[in-house]
Amino acid sequence: EDQVTQSPEALRLQEGESSSLNCSYTVSGLRGLFWYRQDPGKGPEFLFTLYSAGEEKEKERLKATLTKKESFLHITAPKPEDSATYLCAVRRNYGQNFVFGPGTRLSVLP
Amino acid sequence: DVKVTQSSRYLVKRTGEKVFLECVQDMDHENMFWYRQDPGLGLRLIYFSYDVKMKEKGDIPEGYSVSREKKERFSLILESASTNQTSMYLCATATPNYGYTFGSGTRLTVV
Repeated sequence: EDQVTQSPEALRLQEGESSSLNCSYTVSGLRGLFWYRQDPGKGPEFLFTLYSAGEEKEKERLKATLTKKESFLHITAPKPEDSATYLCAVRRNYGQNFVFGPGTRLSVLP
Repeated sequence: DVKVTQSSRYLVKRTGEKVFLECVQDMDHENMFWYRQDPGLGLRLIYFSYDVKMKEKGDIPEGYSVSREKKERFSLILESASTNQTSMYLCATATPNYGYTFGSGTRLTVV
């Protein structure tokens, strides 16, 4: 069964304290791994797409990496405005839909 | 930028009511989706549509139906609302490279 898990469930960091979020997946035929950011009461917003092992993408303080079984979202020197829930999703090589992980709720304290 | 607009941010309905959630997209995308999001369960696919008048069941279609009469509009219908349908409902379109573009969501409370 296709599955996406994320850890930790919640993470509290001090401003400037770098860390990583994990997304592990088991899916038959990966057609892309996606990271989203979701603020409370809003829909998720697209951050990155990764397609193959070894690929990396960066945006401001965020860097996403991909291996054959997992992806990491590295947050360098986070700021309070980085507080949000971060979701990962995988797109399978069949069907049109994606499988989402449950998310990691990040809080960055000033 | 693609815009996905959900007609209501918050709704309160009574048990047994028929509820319509509307979603409109402005980029002529073929694929549209309805998800619900619940704490601890994440995003779960209810229905999706490849094209006008086409629909496919997702993972949790029970108690829901959909309508896609025009390409830009995808409606989710709760035939007889129940309290276990209290949730955040998210509409989305999708492209291969950018995955989903989501609407702002509708938080539905059924009392």
